Amino acid sequence: AIQMTQSPSSLSASVGDRVTITCRASQGIRNELGWYQQKPGKAPKLLIYAASSVQGGVPSRFSGSGSGTFFTLTISSLQPEDFATYYCLQDYIYPRTFGQGTKVEIK
Amino acid sequence: EVQLVESGGGLAQPGGSLRLSCAASGFSFSSYWLTWVRQAPGKGLEWVANIKQDGSEKSYLDSVKGRFTISRDNAKNTLFLEMSSLRVDDTALYFCARDRDIYRSGVHYDAFDIWGQGTMVTVSS
Repeated sequence: AIQMTQSPSSLSASVGDRVTITCRASQGIRNELGWYQQKPGKAPKLLIYAASSVQGGVPSRFSGSGSGTFFTLTISSLQPEDFATYYCLQDYIYPRTFGQGTKVEIK
Repeated sequence: EVQLVESGGGLAQPGGSLRLSCAASGFSFSSYWLTWVRQAPGKGLEWVANIKQDGSEKSYLDSVKGRFTISRDNAKNTLFLEMSSLRVDDTALYFCARDRDIYRSGVHYDAFDIWGQGTMVTVSS
């Protein structure tokens, strides 16, 4: 199975900060990667698919990039509602695999 | 309203069985791939299985192959996950999700855009 490694595992940031989360795949996955946000006690929410396509209704401060084995999720100006855990997910081959998650906390 | 509602979770003994259901409403159920994702307490997300629109294609996480069966009833707008030979490490909140099933330049992209609230499965003696 493809291993997805996110970094950092957690970070502390302030409202207004620019935040970047990375996701590395153990082998090339083209651009077949999505990003999800999960808040405590809630289901995940789709943010990005195909590495850089923003899901409808997602604020423009969220963006994704990357191809092959290295991907990033960027929040251009962190808002209070963005404090959550973020997961990448490769959809290149089965089984699909998630990264371990990155928890974004308030500084 | 577009929604997915899971049910069927509960307490099972190791080696036991459970059948999870996911009832869909507000969209054309038979037009979408569907997926099960689980989350052990305090842990991350884990993809479990998916199924094509007509049920002709299914894929599974290696650790559940031969023990779990995904199926769907398009007439009843319901997705199922039949779980048997349950193990303690199957304990998790199980989510069903709809896949937008995006195609671009011949490539299929997963995009799990609608999720249920989850149903908890606890495997313990």
